[in-house]
Amino acid sequence: DTVLTQSPALAVSPGERVSISCRASEGVDSYMHWYQQKPGHQPKLLIYKASNLASGVPARFTGSGSGTDFTLTIDPVEADDTATYFCQQSWNDRTFGGGTKVELK
Amino acid sequence: QVNLLQSGAALVKPGASVKLSCKASGYTFTEYYVHWVKQSHGKSLEWIGYTNPYSGYTDYNGKFQDKATLTVDKSTNTAFMELSRLTSEDSATYYCSRGAYNNYVLDVWGQGASVTVSS
Repeated sequence: DTVLTQSPALAVSPGERVSISCRASEGVDSYMHWYQQKPGHQPKLLIYKASNLASGVPARFTGSGSGTDFTLTIDPVEADDTATYFCQQSWNDRTFGGGTKVELK
Repeated sequence: QVNLLQSGAALVKPGASVKLSCKASGYTFTEYYVHWVKQSHGKSLEWIGYTNPYSGYTDYNGKFQDKATLTVDKSTNTAFMELSRLTSEDSATYYCSRGAYNNYVLDVWGQGASVTVSS
């Protein structure tokens, strides 16, 4: 299985920029996607194929990377962005990262 | 408006089976794959598998090959997942989702169904 590794948590102040990383145990080309999940809710697609913004998602969210290293950036962070962010690859079956919980300072 | 509406929470006994449903609306059901994802309490997401509603073809994560059975009913635009021989390890929230962009991405998700396995 392709293992995706994310840092567990980040704290950021509103208005700042935050970068969330995801590292794959093997190359996944550009088949990396990002989801946002708020407590008690289903995940929501933010970015697909590394850098493409999903429909209706604010331009404050951007994605980058290819191969094994990927980044989701939120700039500027707003209070509503408090959530857990998951990366997911679809190059080799489908696996998810452990999630990064973003909290506001 | 694209929507996936899942069945409600289930409380089942160890060793039993449960069948979850996922009713699609707002799009042509047979044009998109339906995926299922497990989320154990407070933890990450695990992909279980997907089904092609047009052909009935299924593909599973090997870990769930003997646990989950995916089916569809095209007449009602509904996908199903049956979980068998339930143990406490199967207690989780299960999501259905729609496979988009050539089935690489999960672009719409159901609200989730909680399964609790307890005697």
